[in-house]
Amino acid sequence: DAKTTQPPSMDCAEGRAANLPCNHSTISGNEYVYWYRQIHSQGPQYIIHGLKNNETNEMASLIITEDRKSSTLILPHATLRDTAVYYCIVRSPDNRSNFGNEKLTFGTGTRLTIIP
Amino acid sequence: EPEVTQTPSHQVTQMGQEVILRCVPISNHLYFYWYRQILGQKVEFLVSFYNNEISEKSEIFDDQFSVERPDGSNFTLKIRSTKLEDSAMYFCASRSVNYGYTFGSGTRLTVV
Repeated sequence: DAKTTQPPSMDCAEGRAANLPCNHSTISGNEYVYWYRQIHSQGPQYIIHGLKNNETNEMASLIITEDRKSSTLILPHATLRDTAVYYCIVRSPDNRSNFGNEKLTFGTGTRLTIIP
Repeated sequence: EPEVTQTPSHQVTQMGQEVILRCVPISNHLYFYWYRQILGQKVEFLVSFYNNEISEKSEIFDDQFSVERPDGSNFTLKIRSTKLEDSAMYFCASRSVNYGYTFGSGTRLTVV
């Protein structure tokens, strides 16, 4: 089962920042938080990941609380093309014991709708 | 930007027939995966493949399923005798060490 909890749906006005929360209260010290999204029936698309520091890339920012029990994905200026299901996933890093085979376990995600 | 390529995009097959879904992962990636998504349901893990062998498989991945990386570039998923409940989107993915997965656009399998 997924180790994260996300709201089932959210709306955001076009041009505004979309803030998607995720709870992962049972996260272990070495587990990363990954965010993916799925637009319609396309393959999931990697967005960003982080361990404990906040991260930013060209797509989004990831804010992880100090206790690491929750995080927020921020899309700074949402467009209609950002309408998708967003998945927050906790995953162990590659190491010698798992040989990098830690699979992604998808939950039901948050369906984000950008409103014109 | 490098892509994972899947063919065909849509496959219709009769129940009991064999199907092979094909994937070309990103060339310098080390880990390969198949996932599937039944319409309206979650994305589910099927199998992971590393160093030319299966490293993990789910309960879904029974004896009817097999994977192969025959020539160092293609990565295939074979379903020996398809059932109606195999109808789904099948996604191939690949990745490098400690990087995010890159998924293909999927093959929609319809078993009739």
